Amino acid sequence: QQQVKQSPQSLIVQKGGISIINCAYENTAFDYFPWYQQFPGKGPALLIAIRPDVSEKKEGRFTISFNKSAKQFSLHIMDSQPGDSATYFCAAPKAAGNKLTFGGGTRVLVKP
Amino acid sequence: DADVTQTPRNRITKTGKRIMLECSQTKGHDRMYWYRQDPGLGLRLIYYSFDVKDINKGEISDGYSVSRQAQAKFSLSLESAIPNQTALYFCATSDASTGGLRGEQFFGPGTRLTVL
Repeated sequence: QQQVKQSPQSLIVQKGGISIINCAYENTAFDYFPWYQQFPGKGPALLIAIRPDVSEKKEGRFTISFNKSAKQFSLHIMDSQPGDSATYFCAAPKAAGNKLTFGGGTRVLVKP
Repeated sequence: DADVTQTPRNRITKTGKRIMLECSQTKGHDRMYWYRQDPGLGLRLIYYSFDVKDINKGEISDGYSVSRQAQAKFSLSLESAIPNQTALYFCATSDASTGGLRGEQFFGPGTRLTVL
């Protein structure tokens, strides 16, 4: 089994600020650790993913930091924009197959 | 994602009724999943199928059943709906390459189910 704890549950940040979401997982796995973004009324969509042998992955304003020894990983949204307002889910791979365990989600609101 | 469609998008039903949620995909993926989303609990896996002849239970399969009618179709049934099955239900797909290498699954738009 894989458990994923995500915090905070919600986050309000001013435009231009940094949003930080943290996740902790239990079991070591060798597949990618993805982050998903969900807008209201839509299904989640892959935002960015990181391999467990890499400590940081950056794509535009989104950065994943991965601490394998602590079994923690986080998403940083730099220069947050109102269009980033969404719910974000981290996920950890289960031991085998394409199965994922999702965190509880973080609702991010970026105020203009 | 328009490549993964779910019907119906909204459904209100009564306790004890049987209900089916349907999912179709045009992505040509072999792997399909059903999740339910509840506030604060994230997405929890109900059932998954890695090909037409392969059906597996997820974390919370009690009270649900599935059918993989074809590679492109995966339906979820609630045999006797109860109020605590009120939730947002998502179908997702992946293929063996991107799904495993990037943890990428493609989600449908969801079905909001209310059981009274």
